[in-house]
This record gives sequence, C-alpha cells and structure tokens, in this order.
Amino acid sequence: EAAVTQSPRNKVAVTGGKVTLSCNQTNNHNNMYWYRQDTGHGLRLIHYSYGAGSTEKGDIPDGYKASRPSQENFSLILELATPSQTSVYFCASGDTGRAGQLYFGEGSKLTVL
Amino acid sequence: QQQVRQSPQSLTVWEGETAILNCSYEDSTFNYFPWYQQFPGEGPALLISISSVSDKKEDGRFTIFFNKREKKLSLHITDSQPGDSATYFCAASETGFASALTFGSGTKVIVLP
Repeated sequence: EAAVTQSPRNKVAVTGGKVTLSCNQTNNHNNMYWYRQDTGHGLRLIHYSYGAGSTEKGDIPDGYKASRPSQENFSLILELATPSQTSVYFCASGDTGRAGQLYFGEGSKLTVL
Repeated sequence: QQQVRQSPQSLTVWEGETAILNCSYEDSTFNYFPWYQQFPGEGPALLISISSVSDKKEDGRFTIFFNKREKKLSLHITDSQPGDSATYFCAASETGFASALTFGSGTKVIVLP
C-alpha cells in the first residue's frame, strides 16, 4: 500500500542541537512537502521539492534546510534547533498531475528544550 | 498574513444536524480548493475538493459551495455522525507544477450523539 512514512515520530532535542526529520514515500510521486502544524496556524509550508535533487523554499523556511537525495526520500534539517521550532511536522507527497491532492504522513512531534 | 481564513474555530452539533464550515481566501490566483479531514494523532487526509469553474461539489454527506465573486466557500456536513468529529482544513492552490497548498487554521467539529 502506498504510504508516507516519517521518522522519528517523537523527538526531544536541546536548544542549539541539530535535528533531522526523515520522510519516505512509496507513492512514486514527484513532489514532496514539509509542513509544520501549530494551534491557531493550521499547516504552514516550510520546504518542498519537485523531484530528486531539488528543494524550494515555502512560506516559512527560516531556520530550516531540506534535502531530496532520491525520489523516495525528503529530509528536513534543523541545524540549530530553537524552542520556537517545537511543533508537529508533517511530510506529504503529491503527483504533479493531481493539483492539491496530497498524501500526508502521520507526523513527527518535535520538542526543543 | 493569512491567505486562507476559516470560521468558526470550533463547532459542536448534535448527531443528525448539518454542520456548516466557512472559508475565505484573498489570492485571486487560487483556483483549486480541497478540504482535508484530520483525526487526532493522524495526518490530514483529502475529503473533498472543488475547482474554481464549479459552484458546488457533492460527495455523499459532504458538499462544498463556492462563490468565486466573493472569494468564499463553505463545507456542509449533512446528517452529521459522531465519526465525523475531527478537524477540517480548507486549503487553496494555484494550478502549478508543485501544487503547494495554503491551508487555513482549521475548524474543530464535535458531533454529539
């Protein structure tokens, strides 16, 4: 069954530490996305990718980097984590020809102390 | 700035009633409007969607009404069931290569038996 899998599901990090959130999709979709979800803000787009080797900035990219080494994998990297980055992060994949139809993972809860 | 707005933040209805969720947007280039349903601890999942060339889309008990002139849409859940209790997100996108979605802040719906 096609799926989007995120790891880790829960992470506690210290301020200033490096955090990598990983995402794997078996949908064979070209496009992948990283969103964060906070109460009152819905989901906000951090970075996205059109395909292997490409990354694009979304609406709130500051403090985050992304990496798309392959069609299946898309990582979100916090080089110097801050408490304001405490959130639930969702990865999603989507087909180029299916506007707006995204398939989400189950989320990664990150707490930065 | 929030390009997609939703109201109310939360809504409680009795089983069998109709729940009405509202959404508005600012960007005239948006032309595709999916609604996502999210249960606690899960990622959002596509529920129903409409394009800007239509003014109504129905799928079972879920109906989207769209007013392009006023930049408003609404989701009607008829004969609400306790299993419909979830958070609903209105989203918008342009017809574009990566189809990145802009989400509203969500409406939490509680259906009482």
